[in-house]
Amino acid sequence: GQQVMQIPQYQHVQEGEDFTTYCNSSTTLSNIQWYKQRPGGHPVFLIQLVKSGEVKKQKRLTFQFGEAKKNSSLHITATQTTDVGTYFCAGRYRSPNDMRFGAGTRLTVKP
Amino acid sequence: DAGVIQSPRHEVTEMGQEVTLRCKPISGHDYLFWYRQTMMRGLELLIYFNNNVPIDDSGMPEDRFSAKMPNASFSTLKIQPSEPRDSAVYFCASSFGRGLTDTQYFGPGTRLTVL
Repeated sequence: GQQVMQIPQYQHVQEGEDFTTYCNSSTTLSNIQWYKQRPGGHPVFLIQLVKSGEVKKQKRLTFQFGEAKKNSSLHITATQTTDVGTYFCAGRYRSPNDMRFGAGTRLTVKP
Repeated sequence: DAGVIQSPRHEVTEMGQEVTLRCKPISGHDYLFWYRQTMMRGLELLIYFNNNVPIDDSGMPEDRFSAKMPNASFSTLKIQPSEPRDSAVYFCASSFGRGLTDTQYFGPGTRLTVL
């Protein structure tokens, strides 16, 4: 079935280092969303990408959607301790609410 | 505006007991989702409703699980009988279906422990 693969599963960085998480689908996505879940919290929507090759920025976060709409990435520049949490991608397929979450990348930041 | 409301926030029960989780979606949202999150399996979609009608329950693990949405402002997820492997955080989320632009808003979750 349709599946969204996300890597890495864990990432530990020193504060100030960059961080990237990747999502990949074997079939074309309609769009992809990114969520952040703080430890003990619930997933919170960050952004949605719809267009092929789309790039969006939120301060130190850069989101990309691949040209083939099968992959996406989230890059954080100069991580801070407030960036700690698990980042999920959620790929949406043809059916409007057939959405599959990636396994998430758990980011820890050492001050 | 109040977000998605879930109750209880924590539930500890013994194996074999019935458990009922409750959710109040954001007013005006027409989609409601139930998810289960565990360390081993991550975030799993169990079932979702559109306008109170169950659309896809293929993620419901077993017949012990059932979900209802009697009206637009209330949904329940019931486990009967509960088993230790049901221990997880259960999230409810809602969205306003606008085709490709619907974002899901998650509730705080119910942490279920089955002893």
